[in-house]
Amino acid sequence: EAGVAQSPRYKIIEKRQSVAFWCNPISGHATLYWYQQILGQGPKLLIQFQNNGVVDDSQLPKDRFSAERLKGVDSTLKIQPAKLEDSAVYLCASSLFWNTEAFFGQGTRLTVV
Amino acid sequence: TQLLEQSPQFLSIQEGENLTVYCNSSSVFSSLQWYRQEPGEGPVLLVTVVTGGEVKKLKRLTFQFGDARKDSSLHITAAQPGDTGLYLCAGERSKLIFGQGTTLQVKP
Repeated sequence: EAGVAQSPRYKIIEKRQSVAFWCNPISGHATLYWYQQILGQGPKLLIQFQNNGVVDDSQLPKDRFSAERLKGVDSTLKIQPAKLEDSAVYLCASSLFWNTEAFFGQGTRLTVV
Repeated sequence: TQLLEQSPQFLSIQEGENLTVYCNSSSVFSSLQWYRQEPGEGPVLLVTVVTGGEVKKLKRLTFQFGDARKDSSLHITAAQPGDTGLYLCAGERSKLIFGQGTTLQVKP
């Protein structure tokens, strides 16, 4: 069974530029999460989808971050414009339902300079 | 405010020593999960505890869920260098919320 796929693995951009991350969850998984993880810290939930609907986006900085999950499968997370403090690893995870095991991708490491 | 507090945040020990990591909250969770994360990888699930007072063992790792389902602990017996990594607890309350993690370094 293929795992959660994320791309790109690494991205370096200048502040005020825009960037997009892509996630392909495990087939059949209804729940998809985007997390932000600062080095050495625990992941912070940015947004949770159930199929193509948003369940929770309370910690998503909506003035600069946006996410969508078209057709309830793939998802993209966008940052526009990026700030230095956005430097982090962005993790995508999926699970069959909201209360079952979450499987994580390898993440995208973003460096904003 | 951190909903799940892990302690200690950093731990450096010698091979063969025992250790315990704690995960505490003032909130009740329907379940609590423990993950291990290695550099450059996403977290990988170790165990899920659901019932208050539940104890689960995974080789040298013992996980316990508090009676009130607000806290949990992870105990490692005779730690090995391969146990080195970031240990994360995560509580389930319609969404998965992580603690800040415990970085464990086991020296040979």
